[in-house]
Amino acid sequence: DAGVIQSPRHEVTEMGQEVTLRCKPISGHDYLFWYRQTMMRGLELLIYFNNNVPIDDSGMPEDRFSAKMPNASFSTLKIQPSEPRDSAVYFCASSLDRGVLDTQYFGPGTRLTVL
Amino acid sequence: AQKITQTQPGMFVQEKEAVTLDCTYDTSDQSYGLFWYKQPSSGEMIFLIYQGSYDEQNATEGRYSLNFQKARKSANLVISASQLGDSAMYFCAMREGDNYGQNFVFGPGTRLSVLP
Repeated sequence: DAGVIQSPRHEVTEMGQEVTLRCKPISGHDYLFWYRQTMMRGLELLIYFNNNVPIDDSGMPEDRFSAKMPNASFSTLKIQPSEPRDSAVYFCASSLDRGVLDTQYFGPGTRLTVL
Repeated sequence: AQKITQTQPGMFVQEKEAVTLDCTYDTSDQSYGLFWYKQPSSGEMIFLIYQGSYDEQNATEGRYSLNFQKARKSANLVISASQLGDSAMYFCAMREGDNYGQNFVFGPGTRLSVLP
């Protein structure tokens, strides 16, 4: 069974450009999560979806960030315009809906560098 | 207050020896789950093991075991027979509550270095 798939694995862009990160969750999973990891702040939850519906986006840092999940097998995280402080590793994770024993399975991450 | 505390920023262990990574948590919920993830230098987050708050027995997965002491609110990860490939960051995480949509809280991590 394929795990969570993310693309691209690495992205280098210039300040002001639009960046789109993509995620394919594990088939059959009900939840999808977007995280950001930096040395300073560790792992931060940005937003999560349940059955394609955004539930909590309180972790999204600014209006420059947006996320969509048009169907059960695809989600995007978009940053427009990008800034150097957005440089981080962005993880997508998915899980089943089994209460407190839900295990989140992470994708390989996208390392974003904004110059 | 921190929900998850990992007091060891870095640890060293000799190859083939056992090592314990500490994790304490803070919750008032009766129902919760505790998880450990490994993040090698390549960057991916790898799920290792979980423990439910109602589980009476400590969880085990191969060389990994979770030393769960509910009264002390600790969920330490024990790695037996360390291997060089165990060198990585290790994160303890907790999911609280019965409501769907409660999410993980991650600790700051412990960097484990296995010495040959």
